[in-house]
Amino acid sequence: GNSVTQMEGPVTLSEEAFLTINCTYTATGYPSLFWYVQYPGEGLQLLLKATKADDKGSNKGFEATYRKETTSFHLEKGSVQVSDSAVYFCALSDGSKLTFGKGITLSVRP
Amino acid sequence: DGGITQSPKYLFRKEGQNVTLSCEQNLNHDAMYWYRQDPGQGLRLIYYSQIVNDFQKGDIAEGYSVSREKKESFPLTVTSAQKNPTAFYLCASSIDEGTIGTQYFGPGTRLLVL
Repeated sequence: GNSVTQMEGPVTLSEEAFLTINCTYTATGYPSLFWYVQYPGEGLQLLLKATKADDKGSNKGFEATYRKETTSFHLEKGSVQVSDSAVYFCALSDGSKLTFGKGITLSVRP
Repeated sequence: DGGITQSPKYLFRKEGQNVTLSCEQNLNHDAMYWYRQDPGQGLRLIYYSQIVNDFQKGDIAEGYSVSREKKESFPLTVTSAQKNPTAFYLCASSIDEGTIGTQYFGPGTRLLVL
C-alpha cells in the first residue's frame, strides 16, 4: 500500500534560519503530493501541492519539488518566522485516498 | 464565510456511552471525511462519503458509525464498541472525489473518556 515517511522531530530553529523537512513516499503509479500545516488547536490547512514529477509547489515562502527519482517531496523555507511554528504533514493521493505522514512539530524561537 | 464547523470542541464520554460528533459544511462540497488524530501517528481515515446517502469505511472504522442524509452534514458516532476513543477527531471535505487531495478541515473535536 501507499505510505509516507517524514523525518523524526521535533525541530527547533531560530528565527530567520533555513528550514528543510524531509518527506519520502512509497506508491504505485503517479500520486499527487501535498504538504498540510496544523497550527496549535486547529484543523489542517493545505500549504502546497504538486501533481506530477518535477512540479514545484510554493506558498507563503515554502517550497517543495516533486522528485520521482528519489520519491521525495522535501519542504523548504529560506527564512522561518515565529508564526511558522506548527505541525507539518506530508501527504499523497492516488486518487482514491489521502495518505498522511506522522507529522513533525516545528518550533521557531525569536 | 464558507467553511467547516465541528461541535463540540471538547466532548466527554462515559463508559458504555455512545456520543455523536457534529460536522457541517457550507462549501457545497460533495465529499466528506472523518479522521482520527493521535499523538505521533498522523491522521487515520475512519469513514468517508462521496455523495449523499452513501459512505464507505476507511482504515479504522470499527467502533464508529456515520450517516450522510444531507449534503452539508456528516455526523460521526463513537459507539461503546470503540475501546480507546480518546483522540482528536477531524472532519474534512473536498469538492468531489476527483479533488480528494485538496481537503478543507474543520477545527476538530477532542474526545475524552471519563
